Amino acid sequence: KAGVTQTPRYLIKTRGQQVTLSCSPISGHRSVSWYQQTPGQGLQFLFEYFSETQRNKGNFPGRFSGRQFSNSRSEMNVSTLELGDSALYLCASSSRTGAETGELFFGEGSRLTVL
Amino acid sequence: LAKTTQPISMDSYEGQEVNITCSHNNIATNDYITWYQQFPSQGPRFIIQGYKTKVTNEVASLFIPADRKSSTLSLPRVSLSDTAVYYCLVGGGSSNTGKLIFGQGTTLQVKP
Repeated sequence: KAGVTQTPRYLIKTRGQQVTLSCSPISGHRSVSWYQQTPGQGLQFLFEYFSETQRNKGNFPGRFSGRQFSNSRSEMNVSTLELGDSALYLCASSSRTGAETGELFFGEGSRLTVL
Repeated sequence: LAKTTQPISMDSYEGQEVNITCSHNNIATNDYITWYQQFPSQGPRFIIQGYKTKVTNEVASLFIPADRKSSTLSLPRVSLSDTAVYYCLVGGGSSNTGKLIFGQGTTLQVKP
């Protein structure tokens, strides 16, 4: 069974630009959640989607958005990039039950550097 | 949402058993306890999950006392490759489905 795939793995952007990150969950998983990880703040929850609906959202500004497609693949977008957006963005896939209990399967992450 | 508290760091030597305790005083009735391992620049990896008493798998054991206000991850005979950050996660139920909050984690350093 293939794991969670995130693309791209690494990217460099400049301030003011926007970025789109993609996540393909494990086959059969309908829940996809996104996390931002930085050395200072640790792992912070961004949002979670289940069957194309956003069920929960973390405390991030509106520049951070996401969506989920009918095949459960998900994308997140960050507009008007700031230096502080430099981070490892992690996607986690889970079943319906797993999303409730905390059994998450993470991808390798997308490392974003904003210059 | 249940908040978790773990030691920031721990040191151990190869071959020893390591126990990492997580405190979660306001755990809810339907919350599960899950532990993850993370290596630098990789996503966290699921280790073990439990609800009460003791759970064991091929890599670790999880001990949960009757009041469930804490849990202990036990790693038997650690090796250098077990050097990583370990996260305790508490969550469950439908009220905050998908919104799972990670704590600061415990950095385990295994020495030769």
